[in-house]
Amino acid sequence: EPEVTQTPSHQVTQMGQEVILRCVPISNHLYFYWYRQILGQKVEFLVSFYNNEISEKSEIFDDQFSVERPDGSNFTLKIRSTKLEDSAMYFCASRENPTGLGATDTQYFGPGTRLTVL
Amino acid sequence: QQQVKQSPQSLIVQKGGIPIINCAYENTAFDYFPWYQQFPGKGPALLIAIRPDVSEKKEGRFTISFNKSAKQFSLHIMDSQPGDSATYFCAASIRDTGRRALTFGSGTRLQVQP
Repeated sequence: EPEVTQTPSHQVTQMGQEVILRCVPISNHLYFYWYRQILGQKVEFLVSFYNNEISEKSEIFDDQFSVERPDGSNFTLKIRSTKLEDSAMYFCASRENPTGLGATDTQYFGPGTRLTVL
Repeated sequence: QQQVKQSPQSLIVQKGGIPIINCAYENTAFDYFPWYQQFPGKGPALLIAIRPDVSEKKEGRFTISFNKSAKQFSLHIMDSQPGDSATYFCAASIRDTGRRALTFGSGTRLQVQP
């Protein structure tokens, strides 16, 4: 069964450093998302991406964050200057084209990248 | 108004019991309500989802009950098993093209005792 993959599984970085989290969405999906989950808390939406542009973002997704689809398979989240409070699990998700025959609303989540900012 | 409130925070049942997890929302624009199951160290996985045009949906041992007028929905797990022990999140989204960002509830940690 196709699945969303994410690398690395764990990233440790120093405060102020840049990090790039990588995701490979399911191949025929067109909508991509990043969510984060601070330890023990709920999953929070960061940003959605479609047709090579951001379609929606939350208040968490400030100027320190950016997303990119550099090629036909990868989807990345960059944090320019990490803060201690950026420590969280970051999940990538993807969804197929909702207008396709038999398409569903389901968002498929990857296993996450645990980001630790020291 | 974007919040989804979930209760209880944690739940312990015996094997075979029927845990019930409840969620409430305010935003009447929400029109898609999924439940996700998350095991430690894993990403959330879709369990079952409902749209507001039906009041109940059943898939295997999992049932969603939906009350549109009360703006509430709940998950029932029939004949619960120890393997069901996980954290369950309700969520909601608006089926507007290009959006559908999920708003999650705070999660319920379920423990099913043998």
